[in-house]
Amino acid sequence: SQTIHQWPATLVQPVGSPLSLECTVEGTSNPNLYWYRQAAGRGLQLLFYSVGIGQISSEVPQNLSASRPQDRQFILSSKKLLLSDSGFYLCAWSWTQDTEAFFGQGTRLTVV
Amino acid sequence: SQELEQSPQSLIVQEGKNLTINCTSSKTLYGLYWYKQKYGEGLIFLMMLQKGGEEKSHEKITAKLDEKKQQSSLHITASQPSHAGIYLCGADRETGANNLFFGTGTRLTVIP
Repeated sequence: SQTIHQWPATLVQPVGSPLSLECTVEGTSNPNLYWYRQAAGRGLQLLFYSVGIGQISSEVPQNLSASRPQDRQFILSSKKLLLSDSGFYLCAWSWTQDTEAFFGQGTRLTVV
Repeated sequence: SQELEQSPQSLIVQEGKNLTINCTSSKTLYGLYWYKQKYGEGLIFLMMLQKGGEEKSHEKITAKLDEKKQQSSLHITASQPSHAGIYLCGADRETGANNLFFGTGTRLTVIP
């Protein structure tokens, strides 16, 4: 069976510090991978998605970047965090672009 | 831009009561997903609807998509405390790539 791991579960970082959130998927190959952010009162928003190694598409301009160094690894990064980066970040995977996505447990990021 | 309106925003019901959550779009949807989120956790996939008039059930939860594919409802029969959480509807953008956009969610509380 397929599993998705996301860590850390919670993170408190000072403004201006770097960020690295990691997500890995097991039990499948060449999954589509996604990073979402949930901001209070705004629902979920897709930040990045990747259909293969090294292929990253960004949906919204922002202070964050994503990378896919390996087939089943997806990393969300920032060089300098802003207060507005606080939120709940979710990683997800899917078989194809047309099938449902399965989500990780999420990371609650607080920038102070 | 496409948006999903979800109603109600919050719902408090007595255990054993039935309830319905609605999700409405101003444009035709290409795929409609229902997820459940427990506070601070990832999303759990419930159901996906793609065809107009489609209806799916899982245990005590039934989801429907109207013929015009602009409105979906999630109905829970004989609610239980385990049903409590945030229910999110999500839909595919025309561009695909599992580029989901989500409603703001409905917070369901079930009182024992």
